[in-house]
Amino acid sequence: DAGITQSPRHKVTETGTPVTLRCHQTENHRYMYWYRQDPGHGLRLIHYSYGVKDTDKGEVSDGYSVSRSKTEDFLLTLESATSSQTSVYFCAISESRDSEAFFGQGTRLTVV
Amino acid sequence: SQQGEEDPQALSIQEGENATMNCSYKTSINNLQWYRQNSGRGLVHLILIRSNEREKHSGRLRVTLDTSKKSSSLLITASRAADTASYFCATYKAAGNKLTFGGGTRVLVKP
Repeated sequence: DAGITQSPRHKVTETGTPVTLRCHQTENHRYMYWYRQDPGHGLRLIHYSYGVKDTDKGEVSDGYSVSRSKTEDFLLTLESATSSQTSVYFCAISESRDSEAFFGQGTRLTVV
Repeated sequence: SQQGEEDPQALSIQEGENATMNCSYKTSINNLQWYRQNSGRGLVHLILIRSNEREKHSGRLRVTLDTSKKSSSLLITASRAADTASYFCATYKAAGNKLTFGGGTRVLVKP
């Protein structure tokens, strides 16, 4: 597997609480992505980063924020978790914007 | 909305048979990629085919791309039980800088 680590791997949290997921890479890839995967929807892009402090929204960014203060770390924050954000979250990295993506193992988040 | 749509949604075959799945997309792309996901795991990249390419091979995998029909196919030859997984196509567009995934095809290879 490419050097991508997601933490935590599983989390249960209560509605209304903030939650931060971490993605750490050791590949020095420029691009990092956060996706969510839900039955019937495939993978949907939440946010992505094209460099330190450079981020942009994906197709389902409402309720999420991201930060990238170092090349190796990309954080996804659910500002106030809702039940609709129960999902499996995947981090991915790529060397260039049009190259293959390497995925982490995923974080299963349950909002109760 | 999803850019790529796989067909069929599910496929069940016997070990040794070939498996074919298709991906259709709506707008022009720069490249199309296929990924595999085993249950409970992350996605693994299989093949990337650029818009100016028509066919690529990798081991038992063959991918075609028809930009006039906005479609791609993934063929797995001589399937094995270990090929049981979900397969996703993803399209990349430079405009928008996004890799967009379809809903996937679930493949079951029976021994």
